[in-house]
Amino acid sequence: GAVVSQHPSWVICKSGTSVKIECRSLDFQATTMFWYRQFPKQSLMLMATSNEGSKATYEQGVEKDKFLINHASLTLSTLTVTSAHPEDSSFYICSAGGLTGEGETQYFGPGTRLLVL
Amino acid sequence: AQSVAQPEDQVNVAEGNPLTVKCTYSVSGNPYLFWYVQYPNRGLQFLLKYITGDNLVKGSYGFEAEFNKSQTSFHLKKPSALVSDSALYFCAVRDINNFNKFYFGSGTKLNVKP
Repeated sequence: GAVVSQHPSWVICKSGTSVKIECRSLDFQATTMFWYRQFPKQSLMLMATSNEGSKATYEQGVEKDKFLINHASLTLSTLTVTSAHPEDSSFYICSAGGLTGEGETQYFGPGTRLLVL
Repeated sequence: AQSVAQPEDQVNVAEGNPLTVKCTYSVSGNPYLFWYVQYPNRGLQFLLKYITGDNLVKGSYGFEAEFNKSQTSFHLKKPSALVSDSALYFCAVRDINNFNKFYFGSGTKLNVKP
């Protein structure tokens, strides 16, 4: 199946710093990628839709100035958590839409665990 | 609005026994339902989906799911569980107005014991 990678897999940072997370589709071109946030023992919550070459679409309640998304190419989207605070600590997962023999579906990256001290 | 619910946080089953992971849905219109599995420190992997057609959907790794419209359920099943099936399972529904948007259940941890 299609592969989506994320880097880094985990990161620890100090409060007030910014952290960039990369999401790459390795074997297909993704015009659209998605960023989710997962709290412990909770479901994935869609944060934003990343569109190649245009502005991201944010879900209600997600601060776009806090979570900057850039989708500069068909294989790379980045999420930057600006001025991170402890409450931003979470598991961030990206996904990319693809069309394969299984039809249209979403392929998910392995996730990035962020801990803000 | 679309949503799915997974009523069980955890399911325990012995290896070789059948397993069921429950999911109920609430959608307006025809549902597009999915099951994903998440292994520790891994991304979600697609198992199967229901769009239309047969109510029994077969997917990866021997899993299947039964769509039941009257009970608004989409339970995941496997006739004989393996220890390697132990993982976190998510049910999801696709937004009917935005095919790129998924709503996930809270997840069910499946423990298969030898």
